[in-house]
Amino acid sequence: EPEVTQTPSHQVTQMGQEVILRCVPISNHLYFYWYRQILGQKVEFLVSFYNNEISEKSEIFDDQFSVERPDGSNFTLKIRSTKLEDSAMYFCASSEGGGAFFGQGTRLTVV
Amino acid sequence: AQKVTQAQTEISVVEKEDVTLDCVYETRDTTYYLFWYKQPPSGELVFLIRRNSFDEQNEISGRYSWNFQKSTSSFNFTITASQVVDSAVYFCALRELLGNQFYFGTGTSLTVIP
Repeated sequence: EPEVTQTPSHQVTQMGQEVILRCVPISNHLYFYWYRQILGQKVEFLVSFYNNEISEKSEIFDDQFSVERPDGSNFTLKIRSTKLEDSAMYFCASSEGGGAFFGQGTRLTVV
Repeated sequence: AQKVTQAQTEISVVEKEDVTLDCVYETRDTTYYLFWYKQPPSGELVFLIRRNSFDEQNEISGRYSWNFQKSTSSFNFTITASQVVDSAVYFCALRELLGNQFYFGTGTSLTVIP
């Protein structure tokens, strides 16, 4: 069964460092998403991506964040200068227009 | 305004009991999509069901069933004969036609006690 794959599963980084979270969406899907979930809290929308550009983004998705689909298969989320409050589980998702299928998440810990 | 409300924060049931998880949504769109996701202790989000706004037929899948009531803007999820493996956080979500993002509720944490 096709699935969304995220790497790494866990990333620890120092405050102020840049991190790149990687995702391989399901191959025939057209819509891509990043969500995050701070421990024990709700799942929050960050950004959606369609047709090689951002289609929607939330207030959380400020200038520190960027997304890219560099090679037609990977979908990356970059956080330029991490803050302690960026510590969360980050989920990538893809959709063909119906339900979104989520990856297993990357747990980012900023120390 | 909260688009998806899951009023039940935590529910505990004894194994084999039935349990219903409530979801109320809010949208001005006439076409929209509703979803349920399961988040087990391992943390991943597992897609369970999608329902289109123009299809009000209730759905059953094994021990799972969903009751979509457009008149009350509710999309409730029932687990029949609950099992310990059903213990998880369950999220209801909404996607409107004109937009890509999924709006998630705050989740209901279900604990099934053996």
